Amino acid sequence: GAGVSQSPSNKVTEKGKDVELRCDPISGHTALYWYRQRLGQGLEFLIYFQGNSAPDKSGLPSDRFSAERTGESVSTLTIQRTQQEDSAVYLCASTMTRRTSDTQYFGPGTRLTVL
Amino acid sequence: GQQLNQSPQSMFIQEGEDVSMNCTSSSIFNTWLWYKQDPGEGPVLLIALYKAGELTSNGRLTAQFGITRKDSFLNISASIPSDVGIYFCAGSGGSNYKLTFGKGTLLTVNP
Repeated sequence: GAGVSQSPSNKVTEKGKDVELRCDPISGHTALYWYRQRLGQGLEFLIYFQGNSAPDKSGLPSDRFSAERTGESVSTLTIQRTQQEDSAVYLCASTMTRRTSDTQYFGPGTRLTVL
Repeated sequence: GQQLNQSPQSMFIQEGEDVSMNCTSSSIFNTWLWYKQDPGEGPVLLIALYKAGELTSNGRLTAQFGITRKDSFLNISASIPSDVGIYFCAGSGGSNYKLTFGKGTLLTVNP
């Protein structure tokens, strides 16, 4: 596709369950970001992937959160033992390179609701 | 960590009016970006600013990178109903690829 895609678009889960969110970046984009957006808030940086370099995981809020990316393709964000405070929209973005001047193209997000 | 204060939190205006929103930072940024987010969508970049004092326009939108490098504003002229949405400022410092986002300004335009 032409843009960043994310799946599922909505996910409702019960507290304590694990969830996996998927991001398909724009083809050829080397950098990929995950953000969390709580209701009425700005975007919080979670994790950054650049090519085959070690990811920057400095934004992950706890060890229940992890993410993987294979090469320059799909990424998955996994949240283990979900808590109600994990409820948010999780956004993925990709850029051509790691330069800050490169535009970040965002996907539509996955809305996660933890009951 | 770096924080951005974005104001106002929300605005209700009549179609045709001009609107202004701004962001201030506790630290210096080298890049300021303005995004718009429609319901159920990811943010879309409107304007990017890379130099202190820079004034950039994109149609009815104008944004400026403050001379102190700690603030930026976005103006929308002659608003139309499709301007409705949440506007976010974002900034990054140095060669840091990470963006810090403001909390957003919710704009409502009454036709």
